[in-house]
Amino acid sequence: GENVEQHPSTLSVQEGDSAVIKCTYSDSASNYFPWYKQELGKRPQLIIDIRSNVGEKKDQRIAVTLNKTAKHFSLHITETQPEDSAVYFCAAYSGGYQKVTFGTGTKLQVIP
Amino acid sequence: DAGVIQSPRHEVTEMGQEVTLRCKPISGHNSLFWYRQTMMRGLELLIYFNNNVPIDDSGMPEDRFSAKMPNASFSTLKIQPSEPRDSAVYFCASSTQGAGELFFGEGSRLTVL
Repeated sequence: GENVEQHPSTLSVQEGDSAVIKCTYSDSASNYFPWYKQELGKRPQLIIDIRSNVGEKKDQRIAVTLNKTAKHFSLHITETQPEDSAVYFCAAYSGGYQKVTFGTGTKLQVIP
Repeated sequence: DAGVIQSPRHEVTEMGQEVTLRCKPISGHNSLFWYRQTMMRGLELLIYFNNNVPIDDSGMPEDRFSAKMPNASFSTLKIQPSEPRDSAVYFCASSTQGAGELFFGEGSRLTVL
C-alpha cells in the first residue's frame, strides 16, 4: 500500500519568514496530493491541493510543488503569520475509491 | 449544509464498556471515512465506505472495532469492549468520489479509563 513520509515533524520560524514542509510517497499510481491544516482542538481542513498532471500550484501565500519522478511534494508558506501556527498534514490518494494516506504531520510554530 | 456531524463530541467511559460513535455525512457525498488521531500515530484510516459499502477495513485495529453504514446519511463506529489504549479523537469525514477534498467532522474525543 501507499506510504507517505513527512518532514520535519516540528518547525519553528520567525514571523515573516518562509516555511517549507516536504513529503514523499511510495505508490507511483497516486494522483492527488492535498494538504490539510489542523489548528489546536479543531478538525483538519483542506488548504491547497495538487493533481499529478500539474507541477506547481499557488494560492496567495501558499504554494505546493510536485515532482512525480522523485515522488515527492512540498508545501511552501511565505510571509508567515502567527495564525499559520498549526499542524499541517500532507496526503496522497491512490486507487479508484480514493484511499487516502496521510503523512505524520508537521507542527509549525510562527514566532511573533 | 451543516457539514459532517459527529456525536458524541466527548465520551468518557470505563474499560470494558461498549462505545458507539455516530456520523452524519454531508448530503450528496458518497464516500465516508473513519479516522483515529493520537499523538503517537497521527491520523490513521480505520475504514472507508463508498455508496454505503465498506471498501477497505484493513485499518481497523482488531475485532473489537466494527463499523456500519446502513444508509447514505448515517454511519456508526463501535468499540466493544473498550480499552484504555482506544483513547483518541475519532474523526469522520465525507467526500464526493473523484472530487478529492475530505470534509471532516469536529471529532469525538474518547477517553477510556
